[in-house]
Amino acid sequence: AQSVAQPEDQVNVAEGNPLTVKCTYSVSGNPYLFWYVQYPNRGLQFLLKYITGDNLVKGSYGFEAEFNKSQTSFHLKKPSALVSDSALYFCAVRDMRDTGGFKTIFGAGTRLFVKA
Amino acid sequence: DARVTQTPRHKVTEMGQEVTMRCQPILGHNTVFWYRQTMMQGLELLAYFRNRAPLDDSGMPKDRFSAEMPDATLATLKIQPSEPRDSAVYFCASAPTGNYDEQYFGPGTRLTVT
Repeated sequence: AQSVAQPEDQVNVAEGNPLTVKCTYSVSGNPYLFWYVQYPNRGLQFLLKYITGDNLVKGSYGFEAEFNKSQTSFHLKKPSALVSDSALYFCAVRDMRDTGGFKTIFGAGTRLFVKA
Repeated sequence: DARVTQTPRHKVTEMGQEVTMRCQPILGHNTVFWYRQTMMQGLELLAYFRNRAPLDDSGMPKDRFSAEMPDATLATLKIQPSEPRDSAVYFCASAPTGNYDEQYFGPGTRLTVT
């Protein structure tokens, strides 16, 4: 069975500082990994995905994520945080072998708070 | 700017009543998902469709929930009868052909069952 863990309920960072939102995963096969962001009263928005290839994936709004197979992690990063980055961030995983269906499992979410 | 739309945005109903939530996926997207979000359970996949056919609805309580796609522009999620534990935000998402992993979420329907 596949699962996703986001160990931090909330991450606080000062504007201009780098941010990291952590994610670890568990799948039987190779993973497809995703990050989504949810702003208040809105649906989730796709940020980026890792399918294969370069371990560092770049996405929307200056975010990037690093796939680490040995640590089964896919942490979300941004070099310089903005107040407008404050939102709820979800990590998600799908087993690459799941070609017949598309059950993407989402983590519980991490709330990012960027202070001015 | 194409978006997934959902109606109603908010619904308050009494226990035992039927609830119907509607979703209009992005034109040309052939995969549609229904999710439920609660504080306790997080985001749960209820069902999803490909080319209007249900692929998996194992996440849905079968006795009271039903999901359909009458046509390519409309997906519905019905609860009958509704119960207080169904209170949640229900999201519809769609994904384009060949890029099923990039899901576009609607704004959600906030359901409160009293």
